[in-house]
Amino acid sequence: GAVVSQHPSRVICKSGTSVKIECRSLDFQATTMFWYRQFPKQSLMLMATSNEGSKATYEQGVEKDKFLINHASLTLSTLTVTSAHPEDSSFYICSAKAGSSYEQYFGPGTRLTVT
Amino acid sequence: GENVEQHPSTLSVQEGDSAVIKCTYSDSASNYFPWYKQELGKRPQLIIDIRSNVGEKKDQRIAVTLNKTAKHFSLHITETQPEDSAVYFCAATPFSGGYNKLIFGAGTRLAVHP
Repeated sequence: GAVVSQHPSRVICKSGTSVKIECRSLDFQATTMFWYRQFPKQSLMLMATSNEGSKATYEQGVEKDKFLINHASLTLSTLTVTSAHPEDSSFYICSAKAGSSYEQYFGPGTRLTVT
Repeated sequence: GENVEQHPSTLSVQEGDSAVIKCTYSDSASNYFPWYKQELGKRPQLIIDIRSNVGEKKDQRIAVTLNKTAKHFSLHITETQPEDSAVYFCAATPFSGGYNKLIFGAGTRLAVHP
């Protein structure tokens, strides 16, 4: 149980375009979802926390107008990288948790390359 | 802000030896401390966790200890095997954000040599 999927697993886009990444909880209702960014050989950096039906809470330094997060249902959250630039190339990972549970379940990640 | 420091950044051991990774956290109100194993290009996998009301937890070859007074917690892997080679991350849930979010340490790259 507690499976989280992400789509796509890899995406290459041109500079200036937008890319949408989906995160789904397959067998549980995710009241809270998280988006992380991980650069090569670095740690996971939390970008934002989203609760179903409400606006996401962004971490300091993360541009909310560039990284649009939508958590429209208890099983789906999306991250849209708008006007992507090469420096946005990274591994984006989502996670989800149910209710008051502490444990977060991670998706497999999406490798974004901006050319 | 909240901070989690992790040491060492790299660790090399011989198969069968023990490995210890240490983390310290800044928010004394943190109450949940998970450890994740991440292989290259894969998702982090939870290997063990501990709550603030417990001092030690063990699961086969893996154990975690927590010292709330000193604000540090450690991962212990005994009888290491080559398949234990990976990057290990500690994390903590700070009071801010309602204990919802995880703040990760920088990671430890463990290499177990046959």
